[in-house]
Amino acid sequence: SSELTQDPAVSVALGQTVRITCQGDSLRSYYASWYQQKPGQAPVLVIYGKNNRPSGIPDRFSGSSSGNTASLTITGAQAEDEADYYCNSRDSSGNHYFGTGTKVTVL
Amino acid sequence: QVQLQESGPGLVKPSETLSLTCTVSGGSISSYYWSWIRQPPGKGLEWIGYIYYSGSTNYNPSLKSRVTISVDTSKNQFSLKLSSVTAADTAVYYCARVVKTVRGVMSYYYMDVWGKGTTVTVSS
Repeated sequence: SSELTQDPAVSVALGQTVRITCQGDSLRSYYASWYQQKPGQAPVLVIYGKNNRPSGIPDRFSGSSSGNTASLTITGAQAEDEADYYCNSRDSSGNHYFGTGTKVTVL
Repeated sequence: QVQLQESGPGLVKPSETLSLTCTVSGGSISSYYWSWIRQPPGKGLEWIGYIYYSGSTNYNPSLKSRVTISVDTSKNQFSLKLSSVTAADTAVYYCARVVKTVRGVMSYYYMDVWGKGTTVTVSS
């Protein structure tokens, strides 16, 4: 299956650490990329490849991968990190898939 | 700085064809893949397909029979056509640039630049 599964929602206290996971068979062969989406806005790339951040993305965002699971970690979560997060990867046929999305609430 | 802008009708009748164009400014359309993604109201992101600047395409299997993506390098634009639309195709439609990176035996793809999105409603 090429589906990517994420927990629907997680919460984190301000300044604490939260990990968002993405599971799928394709992740055994391809890195995930991660996108942050705030209400009414387009998604923004936050992590790509093994653990790369685009220019302008704070270093509190990091990525990792093991087996069929990719993870996005926010270390020292800030109020502005409250958003929906989506993983994305591809399968061997070149089709891309987004994860089901995780809503992150910063308490 | 590359920017993308979606354009097209905001209202399409059922059974008709949805047509959108994405204009690339601040950079060339060459040497990249270009993708369409959509998001129904209150739901998650769905990849529709992508096109390489040379014209090769790949489509979401669930939409493949209805989707055509084309590119016009002379205008620095790429386009989406989705035929036989229904209310289920109502969504915000985004275009995005897709970067392919090769590191040794690993290759990976990511969407680094996105348009702001355009809302398309399917209704009579």
